[in-house]
Amino acid sequence: DVKVTQSSRYLVKRTGEKVFLECVQDMDHENMFWYRQDPGLGLRLIYFSYDVKMKEKGDIPEGYSVSREKKERFSLILESASTNQTSMYLCAIRLGGDYGYTFGSGTRLTVV
Amino acid sequence: GENVEQHPSTLSVQEGDSAVIKCTYSDSASNYFPWYKQELGKRPQLIIDIRSNVGEKKDQRIAVTLNKTAKHFSLHITETQPEDSAVYFCAARLGYALNFGKGTSLLVTP
Repeated sequence: DVKVTQSSRYLVKRTGEKVFLECVQDMDHENMFWYRQDPGLGLRLIYFSYDVKMKEKGDIPEGYSVSREKKERFSLILESASTNQTSMYLCAIRLGGDYGYTFGSGTRLTVV
Repeated sequence: GENVEQHPSTLSVQEGDSAVIKCTYSDSASNYFPWYKQELGKRPQLIIDIRSNVGEKKDQRIAVTLNKTAKHFSLHITETQPEDSAVYFCAARLGYALNFGKGTSLLVTP
């Protein structure tokens, strides 16, 4: 089975800090995604990447950027963290064809 | 973009009863519809999916139906068990990404 690893399970950062969330897959899948999960709002797409160095904005990209320099790694960057970015962040990969999407275990970020 | 509406937001059933969760989508070009189950503190897990060229799919106690004309799809869980208690998300794929509903919190009481 494919493995999707998010580097931190819990993270506490201060307002204004630059924050990096990392997601690594152990196979060669092209499509990777960053979602944000908040109670009552479901999963909302922040950014996705369909290949190395390629990225597309999702529904809520404001305040975020991404980087994909290598196929296996997709990073989410909070340029200047704010308290309203306190959330659960989930990375996902698409398994190709119609084999679904697999999620990482998530990073719960608290901005104080 | 795609807009996915999910109902109800909470659902409580007795063990052994059936549970139905309904979703609608807005863009007729959406072509793949998965359902995810998320237990407390865990990642969403795919439980069943359906493609746009199929009307119904079943896997043991769970089934999904798709009505392309009406742009809605539903999850059916029969003979519910306490371990079915979780948050369930529907999603629709348009292009590369999945667009999710807001989730249904299902509680199965013994």
